[in-house]
Amino acid sequence: GAVVSQHPSRVICKSGTSVKIECRSLDFQATTMFWYRQFPKKSLMLMATSNEGSKATYEQGVEKDKFLINHASLTLSTLTVTSAHPEDSSFYICSARGQGSGGNTIYFGEGSWLTVV
Amino acid sequence: GQNIDQPTEMTATEGAIVQINCTYQTSGFNGLFWYQQHAGEAPTFLSYNVLDGLEEKGRFSSFLSRSKGYSYLLLKELQMKDSASYLCAVKNAAGNKLTFGGGTRVLVKP
Repeated sequence: GAVVSQHPSRVICKSGTSVKIECRSLDFQATTMFWYRQFPKKSLMLMATSNEGSKATYEQGVEKDKFLINHASLTLSTLTVTSAHPEDSSFYICSARGQGSGGNTIYFGEGSWLTVV
Repeated sequence: GQNIDQPTEMTATEGAIVQINCTYQTSGFNGLFWYQQHAGEAPTFLSYNVLDGLEEKGRFSSFLSRSKGYSYLLLKELQMKDSASYLCAVKNAAGNKLTFGGGTRVLVKP
């Protein structure tokens, strides 16, 4: 079946630095990928929709200058957390919609734990 | 807008059956998903319903009633490994966005 891979799975960075998280669709082309954030014991919160070759669509309340999303190819989207602060520490998850008969299924990456110290 | 409700927690005994309900009020609807999420891990796909009725897949079944804005996930023959959060998610009319409920934490006891 379709597989979505995220990297890194865990990252620790210092306050003020930037960190990039990659999301790859391994065996299908994803024109649309989604980035979520999840706080402990909370549900997934959609941050933005990443569209290949165009600007991402951000949800209300999400700072686009802080959470930079790039979808340069049909198999790769990146989320860059800029000038990270401890409150940015969270679990970030990407997902992608399959194509063809699998277009109704949305697959998730393994998630990335970000800790800002 | 989207409003999706599910119970916060449920407890059941190994070998038993548990039904997790999900009600939704959305401005558009294009399908409902159920995901399982173990602590510290990403969600994994369980089921997708877009038409009314029951979809059965092994020990897990999912039901949808669009007119009632209601779905349930039925877990049979519960196993300890089924202890997890179960997320109900609704796809919008355009089919380009998922909105998640708060998730239901299921604890399976021996």
